[in-house]
Amino acid sequence: GQQLNQSPQSMFIQEGEDVSMNCTSSSIFNTWLWYKQDPGEGPVLLIALYKAGELTSNGRLTAQFGITRKDSFLNISASIPSDVGIYFCAGMNSGGSNYKLTFGKGTLLTVNP
Amino acid sequence: NAGVMQNPRHLVRRRGQEARLRCSPMKGHSHVYWYRQLPEEGLKFMVYLQKENIIDESGMPKERFSAEFPKEGPSILRIQQVVRGDSAAYFCASSRGTGNTIYFGEGSWLTVV
Repeated sequence: GQQLNQSPQSMFIQEGEDVSMNCTSSSIFNTWLWYKQDPGEGPVLLIALYKAGELTSNGRLTAQFGITRKDSFLNISASIPSDVGIYFCAGMNSGGSNYKLTFGKGTLLTVNP
Repeated sequence: NAGVMQNPRHLVRRRGQEARLRCSPMKGHSHVYWYRQLPEEGLKFMVYLQKENIIDESGMPKERFSAEFPKEGPSILRIQQVVRGDSAAYFCASSRGTGNTIYFGEGSWLTVV
């Protein structure tokens, strides 16, 4: 099946620093999504990307849908302590399976105040 | 993820017992999905249901697992004769239709002792 490789696995940064994480796939996705999961909670949608090349922002978060449709990145600017959590990328295809999300293994972000 | 209600949030079962996890989708949503998250892993698709219909159960283990979404009431994920390897977080999600934004619940954490 399709697999997503998400990197880095974990990051330790100082408050105020910028963060970048990315996802690559062995095959094409038509939608890329980025979620954040806090401990003991469900994933919360941060950004959804629907077109190759699309660059979308949500506050301090910016994500891009790669031109090849096989990758995406998420940037967080000026990190704050509440950014701590696990960030997941997820891909979705169109057509008959445009409901099934394939998730990466996550990037654990720790922000030191 | 506000609106997708899961219960119980935490469940402990002895090996061989049955586990029943319930999910009420967001208001106005008729499409329900179940995902499983093993420790330090991303979420893995299990099953997609609409009212009274299983649309895709390709991610469900062949034995002991079943899911339903009756005409009235919540969706139920049922695990019979649980084993230690079933210990995981089980997330329900819902959407208004296929291709629409998918929202996750806060999860049910199953521990098998």
